[in-house]
Amino acid sequence: SQQGEEDPQALSIQEGENATMNCSYKTSINNLQWYRQNSGRGLVHLILIRSNEREKHSGRLRVTLDTSKKSSSLLITASRAADTASYFCATDAQNNDMRFGAGTRLTVKP
Amino acid sequence: EAGVAQSPRYKIIEKRQSVAFWCNPISGHATLYWYQQILGQGPKLLIQFQNNGVVDDSQLPKDRFSAERLKGVDSTLKIQPAKLEDSAVYLCASSLLLPIIRGAFFGQGTRLTVV
Repeated sequence: SQQGEEDPQALSIQEGENATMNCSYKTSINNLQWYRQNSGRGLVHLILIRSNEREKHSGRLRVTLDTSKKSSSLLITASRAADTASYFCATDAQNNDMRFGAGTRLTVKP
Repeated sequence: EAGVAQSPRYKIIEKRQSVAFWCNPISGHATLYWYQQILGQGPKLLIQFQNNGVVDDSQLPKDRFSAERLKGVDSTLKIQPAKLEDSAVYLCASSLLLPIIRGAFFGQGTRLTVV
């Protein structure tokens, strides 16, 4: 079974706006990662946050993690048309397996 | 550094035939993953290796799917016999250590169509 679930399933915004995606998971984790997938391509790692961290930044990306609620959010600020892609969260659980959610499809309109 | 290599990129087979996919991970990466991604869905973990040992294969349909990682480097995933519902992209990924500290690297995938 999948470990994480992203919300919303799809998101459409205008260029320059911020995009927020959420991920909920079920079991205790070592860390949580976010990946991007452009249509027909492989996944690209964006950012990793450890279970003892609450917030992390990388460029225009901001990730938060709330282990008490078993949830994470990914914020992309000042979005660009090139950010159009599917975004997935992946959890690294206690046995170290890496499982993905169903993803959020982000469309950024120019 | 070279990325994760997968072959073939595309494969079309008839149901009940067999097929094999090959993956060469990034040099030095101990962990190798195989995922199945059906159109519109997230990647589903089929099997995860640490060197040549299996970490997790709980979602691998073992009656028809098999995977091996000889010498802890290259890996092959086989389907025998294939079913229509096996049509998907099969992704291979590798990472340096467990637990992951810097993310995994993915290949471009093999798109399988079963007709």
